[in-house]
Amino acid sequence: SQQGEEDPQALSIQEGENATMNCSYKTSINNLQWYRQNSGRGLVHLILIRSNEREKHSGRLRVTLDTSKKSSSLLITASRAADTASYFCATEEDSSYKLIFGSGTRLLVRP
Amino acid sequence: KAGVTQTPRYLIKTRGQQVTLSCSPISGHRSVSWYQQTPGQGLQFLFEYFSETQRNKGNFPGRFSGRQFSNSRSEMNVSTLELGDSALYLCASSEGAPGELFFGEGSRLTVL
Repeated sequence: SQQGEEDPQALSIQEGENATMNCSYKTSINNLQWYRQNSGRGLVHLILIRSNEREKHSGRLRVTLDTSKKSSSLLITASRAADTASYFCATEEDSSYKLIFGSGTRLLVRP
Repeated sequence: KAGVTQTPRYLIKTRGQQVTLSCSPISGHRSVSWYQQTPGQGLQFLFEYFSETQRNKGNFPGRFSGRQFSNSRSEMNVSTLELGDSALYLCASSEGAPGELFFGEGSRLTVL
């Protein structure tokens, strides 16, 4: 079963706008990761944030983690049409060697 | 470095048949994981192998099995296929420590 829930389930924005996606999870984690998936293809790793970190940046991506609320958010700034994809958060528990994925957010960036 | 390679990319089977999917990890990666993706259940963990040993297994029936070879290549097998096994099966590799997974493009299985 999925641990993470993401919202919104779908998001439609104009090119140049920012997109924010949220993820909640249930158990203690070692790290939380975000992945992108273009329609029916494999997943691409975007960013990893460890449980002792609160915020991380990578290019136009900003991720926050609040372990007290068991939640994370992914912000994509200055979105582009090429950012259109599904975005998944995934949590990893200590020594579990598995990722538990959220339900995903479908992002549409309109040109 | 070449990425994770999965074969076949697409296949169609009928109920009751069995299927074997193959995954070649990134060179040097010793961990291979398998995930099933369906519209209804989303992405679900099947199993993970490291140096030919299964370290974790998801909540799937015994019809789902896997193995890893000494060269780190992995196969998963599904026996007695059911309609509900139709899915995108994703393989991912890593060095083995917690962290980033590198995914292949997947094998899309359709069961008729």
